[in-house]
Order: sequence, then C-alpha cells, then structure tokens
Amino acid sequence: GQQVMQIPQYQHVQEGEDFTTYCNSSTTLSNIQWYKQRPGGHPVFLIQLVKSGEVKKQKRLTFQFGEAKKNSSLHITATQTTDVGTYFCAGDRITSYDKVIFGPGTSLSVIP
Amino acid sequence: DSGVTQTPKHLITATGQRVTLRCSPRSGDLSVYWYQQSLDQGLQFLIQYYNGEERAKGNILERFSAQQFPDLHSELNLSSLELGDSALYFCASSAPGGGEKLFFGSGTQLSVL
Repeated sequence: GQQVMQIPQYQHVQEGEDFTTYCNSSTTLSNIQWYKQRPGGHPVFLIQLVKSGEVKKQKRLTFQFGEAKKNSSLHITATQTTDVGTYFCAGDRITSYDKVIFGPGTSLSVIP
Repeated sequence: DSGVTQTPKHLITATGQRVTLRCSPRSGDLSVYWYQQSLDQGLQFLIQYYNGEERAKGNILERFSAQQFPDLHSELNLSSLELGDSALYFCASSAPGGGEKLFFGSGTQLSVL
C-alpha cells in the first residue's frame, strides 16, 4: 500500500542551527501538506505544495516539492525554541482508498 | 483555536466497554476525518465523511464505526475496547474545495484500563 516516510525520526539541534526533514512517498502525490504538532497539542497546518518543483517560504521555513512529486522537504533556518515539535508531511489523494496519509513525523528538539 | 470541537477531552474506561467520541467541524466544512495517534506514533487515518456520506476508509477496525449527521457533526464509536485502543483520537475537518487542508480538533485522549 501507499507509504509516506520521513527522515529523520528525531533531531536534536542547538538553538541557531539549521534543521531539515525529508518526506518520501512510494507513489506520486497530488499535493503535499506539512503540519506541526507541539508537545501536548494537535497538528496545525503549515503549508500545501501542489506544483512539481514548487518552493515556498514562510519566514525561516522553506518547503520544497520534488520534481517527480514523490518527495518533499522542510528546512528551518536558525532554529528557535519555539520550533520544538513534531513535523508531519501528509500526502493527498494517493489512492482511491487512502486519504491524506500522514508520514510518521520528525520530532525536533532545540537545545537553548 | 481551529474551530473544530471534540468532546470529551479525556475518557477513561475498561476493556470490553463501548465509547462514543464526538466531533463538530468548523462552520461550513463538509468533510470530517478521524485519526488515531498512539504514543510516539504518527497519525493513522481511520475514516472520512463528506456531507453525511462515507468518503474513504483507512485501517479502521471492525469494532470501530463512525457516522456524520445532517448537522455535519460526527461520532466515532469504539466497541469491545482493548488495552491497545488507548490513544489520542483526533477529528479534523476541511472546507469544500479547500484542497484537503485539515483543521484538527484538540483530540480525545482515550485510556482503556
């Protein structure tokens, strides 16, 4: 079945360092979304990428969608303690059976 | 505040019991999704409803069922509960034509003892 994978599973960085998480799908995605879940909280939508090769920026966050629409990345420049949480990618309309399948997430810890 | 309301926030019950989780989507949203999140696990898709009809089904157990009512609120019924059903259950909604951008509720923490 459809698989959405993310690496790394965990990442510990010193405050001010950069952070990148990668998302890979076994099949072509219609679009990809990124969500952030703070500890004890619920997932919050960050962004959606639709076009092949698309790049979007939100302040210190840069999101990319691969040319083949099978992979994506989220890069955070100069991490801050407020960036702590788990970042999930989610694939849309992967098959007629599955809907908005989430990757396992990357848990980011930022050491002050 | 996402606008999605889930009740109750916490639920403690015993094995073999049945519980109902409730979700009210954002005003105007027609789609409701249910996800299960176990400790240190990702979000497992259970089921989706759109305007009262089942739209897609994930790895939802036969012991679990859901429905969406005419007023668009949804209920997730979990029966013959097992210890392994202990998890955080999230409901999410999305707008028509919203590209499946999901707005999550705060979740119901289910503990089966």
